[in-house]
Amino acid sequence: NAGVTQTPKFQVLKTGQSMTLQCAQDMNHEYMSWYRQDPGMGLRLIHYSVGAGITDQGEVPNGYNVSRSTTEDFPLRLLSAAPSQTSVYFCASSYSTIGAGELFFGEGSRLTVL
Amino acid sequence: AQSVTQLGSHVSVSEGALVLLRCNYSSSVPPYLFWYVQYPNQGLQLLLKYTSAATLVKGINGFEAEFKKSETSFHLTKPSAHMSDAAEYFCAVRRTGANNLFFGTGTRLTVIP
Repeated sequence: NAGVTQTPKFQVLKTGQSMTLQCAQDMNHEYMSWYRQDPGMGLRLIHYSVGAGITDQGEVPNGYNVSRSTTEDFPLRLLSAAPSQTSVYFCASSYSTIGAGELFFGEGSRLTVL
Repeated sequence: AQSVTQLGSHVSVSEGALVLLRCNYSSSVPPYLFWYVQYPNQGLQLLLKYTSAATLVKGINGFEAEFKKSETSFHLTKPSAHMSDAAEYFCAVRRTGANNLFFGTGTRLTVIP
C-alpha cells in the first residue's frame, strides 16, 4: 500500500533556485493538497485541488505554483526559492472533497533554502 | 474564518496518568473535527474524527474525544499514558460544505517514565 508518496524527502536549495516537489497517490482520491509545517504554526494550506484540471489557493500560496493534469499527481513548484520557504512540506489527499473525509498524508519533504 | 485553538503547546504527563489535550473551535455551525498524531520525522495520521453521529468518539490507540457544542470544544483524552504516546497532536476542522481542513498549532506531548 503506497498511499501518498512524496519526493524528495530532503532538499537543499540556494536562494533564487527553482525546484518541484513531487506528490503521487494511488488511492484514486479526487482531493489533493499541499501544506507547509513550521514550528509553532501548525500546518498551513498552500494550494489544493478538487480534481484533475482544478486548482485553487490556500492560506499561503505566494511563491508556489501547482498543477493537476492527472488524478494521481499534484506537484508543487517553487519558482524562486527564498529562505522563508525553509520548511517541511506535506502532501495530503482525500476521497471526499467535502464533509467528513479525512486527509491521508505523505511522509513529508524537508526543504532548506540557504 | 474557520479556526481551531489548541491550548498548551507542550503537555507533560507521567506514564499511566490521564492525557488531556485541549481543542476549541470557532463556528456557529458544528463543523467536522479531527485529531491527528505526528510521530518524529513522519507524516500525520488520523486518530479520530467527529461527524455528528455521536458526541463521544473513540479512536485508535485508546484515545477518545468528546464534542461539546455548548463549550465549542473537542478535547482529546486517554485514561493512561504510555511512553509510545509521546508525539505531536493536531486538532483540525472542516466547515460544513467546505473543501479544506484547517489545523491548530499543535500540542507536543511528553510522557515521563
